[in-house]
Amino acid sequence: SQQGEEDPQALSIQEGENATMNCSYKTSINNLQWYRQNSGRGLVHLILIRSNEREKHSGRLRVTLDTSKKSSSLLITASRAADTASYFCATAANAGGTSYGKLTFGQGTILTVHP
Amino acid sequence: EAGVTQSPTHLIKTRGQQVTLRCSPISGHTSVYWYQQALGLGLQFLLWYDEGEERNRGNFPPRFSGRQFPNYSSELNVNALELEDSALYLCASSQDGGQVYNEQFFGPGTRLTVL
Repeated sequence: SQQGEEDPQALSIQEGENATMNCSYKTSINNLQWYRQNSGRGLVHLILIRSNEREKHSGRLRVTLDTSKKSSSLLITASRAADTASYFCATAANAGGTSYGKLTFGQGTILTVHP
Repeated sequence: EAGVTQSPTHLIKTRGQQVTLRCSPISGHTSVYWYQQALGLGLQFLLWYDEGEERNRGNFPPRFSGRQFPNYSSELNVNALELEDSALYLCASSQDGGQVYNEQFFGPGTRLTVL
């Protein structure tokens, strides 16, 4: 079963604009990871944010995490056509329990960046 | 550094057949994870192997099985294939075996089509 929801399900923007994707989850986590997937290929790891972190940057990516609201957001600034892909959030549970070791994925956001 | 590799890239099988998928983790990673991405069902956790042992298993029938070899590579076996097994099968590896952050890096996937 999926951990939570991502919204929007699809996002269409022009090159140069910013893209914001949101992810919500249901249970306590150790960390949250964001991935990109191009056209049904493998997942590319973008960024990991730990449960005790609130914000993290990597190049044009900015990720926030609000554990009180059980939500995260991924901001891509100055988007490019090459950013067109599906973006997934995935949560990692703390050690122990039935969710140990696995990542639980959201449904993803399909981002289209028009040149 | 080479990433996670998977073989074959594509497979076409018929119902009732058996299939074996292969995965080589990133050098130095001891944990291997398998996920299924079926159309409309999202990314679902299948299996986690660490140091040759199965550590966790997703909600899949026993005809999905696998193993991890001493060199940490892994195989996923699916017996008695059904049409709904058609999916992209993704392998991931991590360095810490879920002990700390469980940052997982994915391979390009194997596309399985069951006719």
